[in-house]
Amino acid sequence: QKEVEQNSGPLSVPEGAIASLNCTYSDRGSQSFFWYRQYSGKSPELIMFIYSNGDKEDGRFTAQLNKASQYVSLLIRDSQPSDSATYLCAVKSTGNQFYFGTGTSLTVIP
Amino acid sequence: EPEVTQTPSHQVTQMGQEVILRCVPISNHLYFYWYRQILGQKVEFLVSFYNNEISEKSEIFDDQFSVERPDGSNFTLKIRSTKLEDSAMYFCASRVSSYNSPLHFGNGTRLTVT
Repeated sequence: QKEVEQNSGPLSVPEGAIASLNCTYSDRGSQSFFWYRQYSGKSPELIMFIYSNGDKEDGRFTAQLNKASQYVSLLIRDSQPSDSATYLCAVKSTGNQFYFGTGTSLTVIP
Repeated sequence: EPEVTQTPSHQVTQMGQEVILRCVPISNHLYFYWYRQILGQKVEFLVSFYNNEISEKSEIFDDQFSVERPDGSNFTLKIRSTKLEDSAMYFCASRVSSYNSPLHFGNGTRLTVT
């Protein structure tokens, strides 16, 4: 069974702070890693993806991947109240299937 | 920006009835998926579809479920005899053919079985 684990939270950070979201995965053959944001009652929305070890930055978001530790994280700098949502980690292994974690609920307090 | 569209947005049906959920994937995408999310739970894989056939399916996708691409644009999920536990949000997703391309989700169909 291929598992993707996330802390369910809730994670609360003050506005302007850095939010750090973590994800671990069980399938060592996993190739690509995705972060989605999901507002309540809405569909997942792609934030960013990462394939190679190290950091990848896109605006206020930074994804970090460590394949040896089977760990991927998302940092959100200068957090805004509009960032309050559930963040889903998704992992694609060698097939076509994407596995999702249960998500981490983030609340940014004004 | 092109998007995946799903209809209807909300479907209410009685237990034992058949439902068909419809999706129009993004036009140049070649891989199509159905996921479901029971309220408060994780997004669960149901089935993936490529080259007019199922490429992978989960344990959830039993004989009650079927998928079809009846024409060049639509992608449907049929549930033959709905159960109360089928109540969930059903998401269609698609992606282009490159190996690491991400999933793009539709807005979902909320299915309520009474």
